[in-house]
Amino acid sequence: DAKTTQPPSMDCAEGRAANLPCNHSTISGNEYVYWYRQIHSQGPQYIIHGLKNNETNEMASLIITEDRKSSTLILPHATLRDTAVYYCIVRVATQGGKLIFGQGTELSVKP
Amino acid sequence: GAGVSQSPSNKVTEKGKDVELRCDPISGHTALYWYRQSLGQGLEFLIYFQGNSAPDKSGLPSDRFSAERTGGSVSTLTIQRTQQEDSAVYLCASSLVARLWGGGYTFGSGTRLTVV
Repeated sequence: DAKTTQPPSMDCAEGRAANLPCNHSTISGNEYVYWYRQIHSQGPQYIIHGLKNNETNEMASLIITEDRKSSTLILPHATLRDTAVYYCIVRVATQGGKLIFGQGTELSVKP
Repeated sequence: GAGVSQSPSNKVTEKGKDVELRCDPISGHTALYWYRQSLGQGLEFLIYFQGNSAPDKSGLPSDRFSAERTGGSVSTLTIQRTQQEDSAVYLCASSLVARLWGGGYTFGSGTRLTVV
């Protein structure tokens, strides 16, 4: 699995967009980008995933650069409940086996 | 059930005692995973089960740790002769298949183990 690099922490004002970057310069053609988050004292929660096209769901948007070497998770209107650790993971979707989590980005949404 | 259920939610045990942690996956999910998370740390993979295949035990930190999955459903993680460094939150996840399709991995709320 390709390695990902994320900033250890970020702050965001409540109501503003939170843009969380992830570098995955060694990503291969069949690897997807997945985002999970972990709110304090809870298990990780799936957010969104994509291959090369930008994706949007009710939780967030995922912007993947054309060369696929980096991506950005966007929370359009961050709330205090979005305070969590956000994990960017690169995996081959058809591959079995464990999901490897890095250190993630600790997002603090402030009033 | 509607989600992954873990029990107990909290466990305090004395050093040297054995403990068993239980995970009830989502009904029909063939893949089951155990992770642990020490205070302030990331998630550490322990073991994963997929159907009737031999489990991937590559993440188990020592031979004091073992896990089984009976009947392809409930799983038990056993820690023998617990040590203080075993204190952590133990998380279980399940998925319909082992492949990472979309949001297929569902995590439980974990068991907080404290070894005193």
